[in-house]
Amino acid sequence: DQQVKQNSPSLSVQEGRISILNCDYTNSMFDYFLWYKKYPAEGPTFLISISSIKDKNEDGRFTVFLNKSAKHLSLHIVPSQPGDSAVYFCAASVSYGGSQGNLIFGKGTKLSVKP
Amino acid sequence: EADIYQTPRYLVIGTGKKITLECSQTMGHDKMYWYQQDPGMELHLIHYSYGVNSTEKGDLSSESTVSRIRTEHFPLTLESARPSHTSQYLCASSPRFPRAGANVLTFGAGSRLTVL
Repeated sequence: DQQVKQNSPSLSVQEGRISILNCDYTNSMFDYFLWYKKYPAEGPTFLISISSIKDKNEDGRFTVFLNKSAKHLSLHIVPSQPGDSAVYFCAASVSYGGSQGNLIFGKGTKLSVKP
Repeated sequence: EADIYQTPRYLVIGTGKKITLECSQTMGHDKMYWYQQDPGMELHLIHYSYGVNSTEKGDLSSESTVSRIRTEHFPLTLESARPSHTSQYLCASSPRFPRAGANVLTFGAGSRLTVL
């Protein structure tokens, strides 16, 4: 059963507008959440993370929001740029225990930013 | 420049062949990982290592094996490749103690394997 779910396989946004990518999780033990971006024929690159004790983390154009009660997080990109077109993966981890730190990934959302 | 390298990037081979996917990192990371990904699907952890002589199986069962004889090197081997092994294999590494709490993995560019 998937522990991290990205229910939108794709998203298309106009350049300059906001992109909102969503992610849901089922395991309440997750204490860190990360977003990765992946271009074709490249490995995923880290974008931004958030601890479960926070509800928001911001880095430049990227902001991640966490709603623990809903087990939901979202990545906001403002303003969106054509270079942001990529597949975005949501990932989660438990920082303690036998598999500490191992990331569990969602299926990804393909973002297309149109000029 | 510190980085993580995977070779080969692309490999097409016949059924029954033995293959080794190489992964090396120059960041001095203790932890290393192998993930498998099919198109449109999530990355599945198949192997990980906490350091030299440490190897563990991941969440997804895999017929591949790994070894960790040197800190910087984490090769993955398939003794007898089959078409079901066709996939992209991503190697990653991370420091033993995360800087800001989150265990941020650095990924290589991947090895795309096709078994005919």
